[in-house]
Amino acid sequence: DGGITQSPKYLFRKEGQNVTLSCEQNLNHDAMYWYRQDPGQGLRLIYYSQIVNDFQKGDIAEGYSVSREKKESFPLTVTSAQKNPTAFYLCASQRQGTEAFFGQGTRLTVV
Amino acid sequence: AQSVTQPDIHITVSEGASLELRCNYSYGATPYLFWYVQSPGQGLQLLLKYFSGDTLVQGIKGFEAEFKRSQSSFNLRKPSVHWSDAAEYFCAVRTQAGTALIFGKGTTLSVSS
Repeated sequence: DGGITQSPKYLFRKEGQNVTLSCEQNLNHDAMYWYRQDPGQGLRLIYYSQIVNDFQKGDIAEGYSVSREKKESFPLTVTSAQKNPTAFYLCASQRQGTEAFFGQGTRLTVV
Repeated sequence: AQSVTQPDIHITVSEGASLELRCNYSYGATPYLFWYVQSPGQGLQLLLKYFSGDTLVQGIKGFEAEFKRSQSSFNLRKPSVHWSDAAEYFCAVRTQAGTALIFGKGTTLSVSS
């Protein structure tokens, strides 16, 4: 089945630690996105990529980094510079001119 | 800059009653418009979309939405709500030249029996 897979579903981070969230899609979509969701805030764009080896910052990129070495994969690293990383993270992909498809999300908690 | 406003944070309707969720956008031209639904702890599922043409669009699960250019609105409606419709609903826009979706802050729907 085609779709977007995010892993892990739950992730715990210690203070000062970097963690990486995985996002894989087999929809052959060119564009991929990372959003952060906090209660009452909607979804805010962290990073996006329209083609392999290229990506752009979204509205809240500070403290995050990404890579796009393969069309299918768009991992997000939450660095120690992100002071308030506890949130629900959603990955999406999109073919040009159509709607975005979302993964099931990763809930990150700082412990 | 584009923005999306969902004026209602939380709405409660009785099962079987009709529903309307409001969405207003700020953008100079006609954007692409979307409604997504999210169950707790899950990803987002597309309910319907408007790109062009007929301003009344039908979606999944019996939902529909109407694009009103004069009001910059794209309100979501359902004639008869079921308990399983309880969820969070997001309106989103994308410019025709843009790429990323811009989301409203969401409306939480509760359904009472």
